[in-house]
Amino acid sequence: GDSVTQMEGPVTLSEEACLTINCTYTATGYPSLFWYVQYPGEGLQLLLKATKADDKGSNKGFEATYRKETTSFHLEKGSVQVSDSAVYFCALQTGANNLFFGTGTRLTVIP
Amino acid sequence: DAGVIQSPRHEVTEMGQEVTLRCKPISGHDYLFWYRQTMMRGLELLIYFNNNVPIDDSGMPEDRFSAKMPNASFSTLKIQPSEPRDSAVYFCASRGSYDGTEAFFGQGTRLTVV
Repeated sequence: GDSVTQMEGPVTLSEEACLTINCTYTATGYPSLFWYVQYPGEGLQLLLKATKADDKGSNKGFEATYRKETTSFHLEKGSVQVSDSAVYFCALQTGANNLFFGTGTRLTVIP
Repeated sequence: DAGVIQSPRHEVTEMGQEVTLRCKPISGHDYLFWYRQTMMRGLELLIYFNNNVPIDDSGMPEDRFSAKMPNASFSTLKIQPSEPRDSAVYFCASRGSYDGTEAFFGQGTRLTVV
């Protein structure tokens, strides 16, 4: 069935370090891919998305490219800030309109 | 729009009691999802509706859980009787019908069953 596999956390980085959180997926058809972020005490909110192969989603300095050949959608940021500390979820939406989430990766950025 | 609104934000109840969680989706959205989040199991889809009709309830853990959507602007998730293992944060989310549109989440209800 459709699923998302996300890099286990937690991840701890110093401010201004580079971030990569890996995400791979299994899906029938042509899914849309998302990264959501959850700040403490809040619900999930969309960070970025890509709806077809080779699309690049970007927001707040984060980027992810929809790679069909490797079935991946890795999240990257060149220089993280303390305010980026949160839990990040990779998600997949299929034609059946269900929305599958990865297990989440907790990122802590230290000054 | 105020976004997806969930109530209550926090609920503490005794084992065996009935608990009802409420959700108001964003106006015009025709998909509504209920999720449960715990440290052990992460984010689990419980059930989702399309145009007020339940489409997939395979994630509902057992018969103690039920969900309804009597109209396009309101949904409930009920647990009866509640058990300590039901303690979790429950999220409601809604989205529009176009492929690739994102889901919008409420702030969640933190349920504690003692």
